[in-house]
Formats: sequence, C-alpha cells, structure tokens
Amino acid sequence: DAKTTQPTSMDCAEGRAANLPCNHSTISGNEYVYWYRQIHSQGPQYIIHGLKNNETNEMASLIITEDRKSSTLILPHATLRDTAVYYCIVRVATSGSRLTFGEGTQLTVNP
Amino acid sequence: GAVVSQHPSWVICKSGTSVKIECRSLDFQATTMFWYRQFPKQSLMLMATSNEGSKATYEQGVEKDKFLINHASLTLSTLTVTSAHPEDSSFYICSASWTGSGNTIYFGEGSWLTVV
Repeated sequence: DAKTTQPTSMDCAEGRAANLPCNHSTISGNEYVYWYRQIHSQGPQYIIHGLKNNETNEMASLIITEDRKSSTLILPHATLRDTAVYYCIVRVATSGSRLTFGEGTQLTVNP
Repeated sequence: GAVVSQHPSWVICKSGTSVKIECRSLDFQATTMFWYRQFPKQSLMLMATSNEGSKATYEQGVEKDKFLINHASLTLSTLTVTSAHPEDSSFYICSASWTGSGNTIYFGEGSWLTVV
C-alpha cells in the first residue's frame, strides 16, 4: 500500500471550512484514497473515498489532484463534533485489501 | 453506510483467563473482517484478517495462539484473547468489508479490554 503523509495537527474555527491535506505521491493506478476519522474512544468512521474524480457526500468533499499525488478533505462547515483524528489511507478496493493506518491529523475545532 | 457492531463494549477480566469479543455485520454479509488493536495515544494496528470459512491471516508479531479468530459465518467474527495478561489491555476494533459499497470497510464501535 502507498504511504501517506498528513500534518500532525490542525485547528479550525467553528463554522469555517476545514481543509485537511494528504500527500500520497507513490499511489498506484488502482489505489483509491480513503478518509476516515476517529473520535476519542470510538471506532473509526468512514467519511469518503475516491479514485481520481472529486467526490462529495453529506459529510465532506474530497478533492484529488490531477496527478493523484495529493488530496484534500473538506469539511464545509466544521462543528465542535468534528474534532477528531482524520486518517487518509490509500488502498486497492478489493474485499481482502486492508486499511493500514498512519498517525493521521488531529483536527481541533474551536468555538 | 453499513453497520458493524461489537460486543461487549468493555470488559474486565482477571489475568490468566480468556475473553471473547464478537463482531457482527448487521445489514450486510462480510466475506472479510479485520481485527485491530489500539493502545492509548497510538494509531490502530492491524492484528489479523479473517475470511469466512478459512483460517485467519495474522500480521507479523501477532501471536495466533493467543489471539484466536473465528469467522464462522458471513456476519460474525470472534476474537478470543487467551490467557490474558495486563499488557493485553487495549482497545480492540473490528471492521468488515462490504462489497455493496465497492469493498469499503466499516468499523465497529470498539471493545475496551482491561486485564487485572
């Protein structure tokens, strides 16, 4: 699996957009970019994933650069409940393909 | 999204005893389930991958005789920590791959194990 690099921590004001970057310069052509978050003492929550096109769902938007070497997760209107560790993971989308977690980004949303 | 449930949410056991944690996919069939362990202030560490009807594949450094994994049906996998010791105290999390969503992996709520 390709390795990802994320900032250790970020802060965001409540109500503002939170933009979380991720570098995955060694991503392979068949690997997707997945984003999960983990709120303290809970299991990780799936947010969104994409291959090369930008994606949007009710939780967030995922912007993937044209060369696919980096991506940005956007939470359009951050709330205090969005405070969590956010993980960017690249993975082949087959049933047996694992998710390997790095250290992620601790996002703190401030009032 | 798909729902994965773990039971129990937390358990305390005596050193030397065994404890079982169940992982269920509630609204889908999961051919593959994964078990993770997470120590405080650390990231999740994959322990093993289990496929329905076959033996689990363990990650390097994980003792298969200590962490018994059974995946007897498409909706249930169990992790049994045998002869538990205080150093096995951790947050154990299962996850399951759902083919209905392009093999996206969904996680359970996690199970806190404390060995005293």
